[in-house]
Amino acid sequence: EPEVTQTPSHQVTQMGQEVILRCVPISNHLYFYWYRQILGQKVEFLVSFYNNEISEKSEIFDDQFSVERPDGSNFTLKIRSTKLEDSAMYFCASSVRTGVSGANVLTFGAGSRLTVL
Amino acid sequence: AQTVTQSQPEMSVQEAETVTLSCTYDTSENNYYLFWYKQPPSRQMILVIRQEAYKQQNATENRFSVNFQKAAKSFSLKISDSQLGDTAMYFCALCNNAGNMLTFGGGTRLMVKP
Repeated sequence: EPEVTQTPSHQVTQMGQEVILRCVPISNHLYFYWYRQILGQKVEFLVSFYNNEISEKSEIFDDQFSVERPDGSNFTLKIRSTKLEDSAMYFCASSVRTGVSGANVLTFGAGSRLTVL
Repeated sequence: AQTVTQSQPEMSVQEAETVTLSCTYDTSENNYYLFWYKQPPSRQMILVIRQEAYKQQNATENRFSVNFQKAAKSFSLKISDSQLGDTAMYFCALCNNAGNMLTFGGGTRLMVKP
């Protein structure tokens, strides 16, 4: 069964450093997402991406964050100047299409755990 | 704004028994999707079941079924014949009409006891 692949599985970084989390979505999927789960808290939407641009973002997704699809397969989340509160599990997801008329099912990756010291 | 509430932080069930996890939500949309996701200790989010709001028939997937009450904005998950592998965190989630954003509940930690 096709799956969403995320790397690294766990990254430890010093406060103030830049981090790039990588995701390989399912090959025929067109919509890409990042979600975040701080330990013990809800899973929170960060951003959705379609046709090489952000289609929606949450209040969490401020100027510290950016996403891009540098080639035909990878989808990355960059966190500039990490803060202690950025420590969380970051989930990438992809879907074939969006909207009520479509399949509208997100397939999640296994997550990348980010620890900021 | 849309919200999803799971009022049961933790539940336990004996193996082979049936358990129901509760979820209520609020949205101004008339068309939307509802989901239950399972998150085992491996932390991966796995889709369990989904329900389109415009369908009155409750969705079922093998041992998993939902009780969707649109007027009450309730979406409970029933797990029949519980298995040890069902032990996980279960998240209820709502997707808006545009389909760009899932709103998750706080989760229910389910422990299946042998």
